[in-house]
Amino acid sequence: GAVVSQHPSRVICKSGTSVKIECRSLDFQATTMFWYRQFPKQSLMLMATSNEGSKATYEQGVEKDKFLINHASLTLSTLTVTSAHPEDSSFYICSTQGGADTEAFFGQGTRLTVV
Amino acid sequence: DAKTTQPPSMDCAEGRAANLPCNHSTISGNEYVYWYRQIHSQGPQYIIHGLKNNETNEMASLIITEDRKSSTLILPHATLRDTAVYYCIVRGFNDYKLSFGAGTTVTVRA
Repeated sequence: GAVVSQHPSRVICKSGTSVKIECRSLDFQATTMFWYRQFPKQSLMLMATSNEGSKATYEQGVEKDKFLINHASLTLSTLTVTSAHPEDSSFYICSTQGGADTEAFFGQGTRLTVV
Repeated sequence: DAKTTQPPSMDCAEGRAANLPCNHSTISGNEYVYWYRQIHSQGPQYIIHGLKNNETNEMASLIITEDRKSSTLILPHATLRDTAVYYCIVRGFNDYKLSFGAGTTVTVRA
């Protein structure tokens, strides 16, 4: 199956700084990838759809200027949390698109802690 | 609106079969049933999916009722490493996003 590599697995940053999370598809070309956020003891919530070569599509309530998504190549999508605050501390996960009869594959997740 | 309903938690004994139910009474004809699981602090892992026939792979079996309004994921011989949150998701032919509900927290006990 497809392998999705997410980096870093955990990061601690100071409030007000920016953090970049990388999501790589290792053995296939991904025109579309998804970014999720998961708070403790909660389920995954879709944040945005990352489209190669075009702007990302954000879910309602997600600030596009705060969560910058870049999908410049078919193997790399990045999520940058800008001016991070403690309330942005969460588990961020990327995934491939999959299809109706094809499973999606997920990265290992990134634990972001803003202090 | 939630498309699936799962019990919030269940315990099972190591070595025994674990049967995880899922209700999806509003499923439509072109929607698949997918199961994923998430072990603590990891990304979700695909388990199995099906449309209307029962399916089996190296991880689990999926039993879908004839009316397709419910399904059961069966872990044939649960191990401690199967402790995770299990998500049942209904996904349509043109529905590329996955909508995660609360899932079932499965705890396998020695």
